[in-house]
Amino acid sequence: QQQVKQSPQSLIVQKGGISIINCAYENTAFDYFPWYQQFPGKGPALLIAIRPDVSEKKEGRFTISFNKSAKQFSLHIMDSQPGDSATYFCAAKKTQGGSEKLVFGKGTKLTVNP
Amino acid sequence: EPEVTQTPSHQVTQMGQEVILRCVPISNHLYFYWYRQILGQKVEFLVSFYNNEISEKSEIFDDQFSVERPDGSNFTLKIRSTKLEDSAMYFCASSRMRQGAVQPQHFGDGTRLSIL
Repeated sequence: QQQVKQSPQSLIVQKGGISIINCAYENTAFDYFPWYQQFPGKGPALLIAIRPDVSEKKEGRFTISFNKSAKQFSLHIMDSQPGDSATYFCAAKKTQGGSEKLVFGKGTKLTVNP
Repeated sequence: EPEVTQTPSHQVTQMGQEVILRCVPISNHLYFYWYRQILGQKVEFLVSFYNNEISEKSEIFDDQFSVERPDGSNFTLKIRSTKLEDSAMYFCASSRMRQGAVQPQHFGDGTRLSIL
């Protein structure tokens, strides 16, 4: 119930291509879904986040698509660049009831080839 | 841009020894967290801390773990008697007081803890 399942584990994309990473959750109490980007030797950095009242959120080349009925959300990176090569984590949080705990997916290692 | 800073970046400790990991959260943040990431695995929540007390903890955060805010700037995680399985990257995070909108958690670069 507390898990967030993320796929694929690794992804190789050519420069200029679209990178798509998917996540699924079971706990319908989750109502905040951030994506974090992590470079080697660094901590996770917030990339973009969405609440379930919208189906899509776009910030620059990064878009979250959210399907509440399927309990799935995905990150799309348009025009992928070698500098996007990093590990991406989806996460979920239940904001009601005072919890601040983020539940993370297992991560996707993205490699963008030049 | 303000950052969460963690020290040391790498800590090597003998099994059974006590270790203290230190964090300086972002200055106007009021919620503080510790997460850990065992090599190759996902980031896992350990504990959250607000108003000088633990607000939530996971089943990982047993009696061997404690947190403290000893002064106005530092936030520490102590492991009393380290085990081999405590070897992991430990991340500190902080966030602002929630006022309606969810406040994002900002992470430090972590302390790699190696237990020998």
